[in-house]
Amino acid sequence: DAGVTQSPTHLIKTRGQQVTLRCSPKSGHDTVSWYQQALGQGPQFIFQYYEEEERQRGNFPDRFSGHQFPNYSSELNVNALLLGDSALYLCASSLVPQGAEQYFGPGTRLTVT
Amino acid sequence: KQEVTQIPAALSVPEGENLVLNCSFTDSAIYNLQWFRQDPGKGLTSLLLIQSSQREQTSGRLNASLDKSSGRSTLYIAASQPGDSATYLCAVMNSNSGYALNFGKGTSLLVTP
Repeated sequence: DAGVTQSPTHLIKTRGQQVTLRCSPKSGHDTVSWYQQALGQGPQFIFQYYEEEERQRGNFPDRFSGHQFPNYSSELNVNALLLGDSALYLCASSLVPQGAEQYFGPGTRLTVT
Repeated sequence: KQEVTQIPAALSVPEGENLVLNCSFTDSAIYNLQWFRQDPGKGLTSLLLIQSSQREQTSGRLNASLDKSSGRSTLYIAASQPGDSATYLCAVMNSNSGYALNFGKGTSLLVTP
């Protein structure tokens, strides 16, 4: 049973560039959430996708956008990268949007120089 | 706004000790509470999920309790081992504000041989 997978593992970008991160949910899951984790902090909710629509959004600017595909996989796009966007980006999947156990992927480490 | 606090921030114990990690939250209207383990630079591994109607959950040497009225949860680790060394994160999902997990900053645990 495949767990949550994310790609790439690591990424180095220059300030002002754009980046796309990818996530495949755990088999059987239809809901994907994205989190940003700065060093030494707990993860912060970016947004959640369910039925190919953004269900809820956290306190992140419009530079952060996403998409969910019919096979439930998801992308996180960040435009106009800032140094402060350097973080571990985590994807979580669950069986339903609310109340179910959340399973996390290994994360993508983004470094903005 | 839900605030989640974890105490202590760091803990060092000798192998074999039983230990307790604490988590407190400000809004008792929660759907569930989940404990995670995170190894350095890695993703989150789900340890235990407690629904709001439950008082505790157990898995092997781990036991988590929930007191919703006082806004507290504890994670009890019995007979600690060096392999338990990691950061432990507590996260709550509110029942009245959607689908995001609200995380504490974690407790960094070191178990010495």
